Amino acid sequence: SQQGEEDPQALSIQEGENATMNCSYKTSINNLQWYRQNSGRGLVHLILIRSNEREKHSGRLRVTLDTSKKSSSLLITASRAADTASYFCATDGETSGSRLTFGEGTQLTVNP
Amino acid sequence: DAGVIQSPRHEVTEMGQEVTLRCKPISGHDYLFWYRQTMMRGLELLIYFNNNVPIDDSGMPEDRFSAKMPNASFSTLKIQPSEPRDSAVYFCASTLSSSGADTQYFGPGTRLTVL
Repeated sequence: SQQGEEDPQALSIQEGENATMNCSYKTSINNLQWYRQNSGRGLVHLILIRSNEREKHSGRLRVTLDTSKKSSSLLITASRAADTASYFCATDGETSGSRLTFGEGTQLTVNP
Repeated sequence: DAGVIQSPRHEVTEMGQEVTLRCKPISGHDYLFWYRQTMMRGLELLIYFNNNVPIDDSGMPEDRFSAKMPNASFSTLKIQPSEPRDSAVYFCASTLSSSGADTQYFGPGTRLTVL
């Protein structure tokens, strides 16, 4: 099975609300990245968190990493309709170098 | 930079036909990845190259799939013969170095439909 597993699989919220997506992985990692995919498009990098970091912020994004639980969460604050997309976590593994393993993704729908 | 370029964007073909997907990575990126995305299996890594050399092709589903990178600015993924179960979106991505901390830049994908 894939290294990263996201939950929930789908999330529907109203504009202005916060959205939280979770990712769990199985083996030790060096880095964890979050990507976004709009319908019909390729994935776009959002944020990276290293294994020695616990929290990272970028604009309305907040990522946390708990290596003891092998899990990460992505929080989008004050969501907008334009945030509607699928969100994927990707892990590199301690020995996999540039090779990333992507989770199954969370489909986020933000209703206006 | 124009980003990663893929062609065609859409391909519809009949079972048994040969399909060739093309990718131009971002200039200066040493790593190129081919992924396949389906609803059932998610995003799967098929193969990746470093400096035009295939490094890991363990994700290539079977011998019907082959990939080449004749130079730093061009790669192809070929399926011959194609089957309906090959229908998927195929993405190409490139990155600068071997670090897992580097961003992978994805192309827009090729949506393949095999009838």
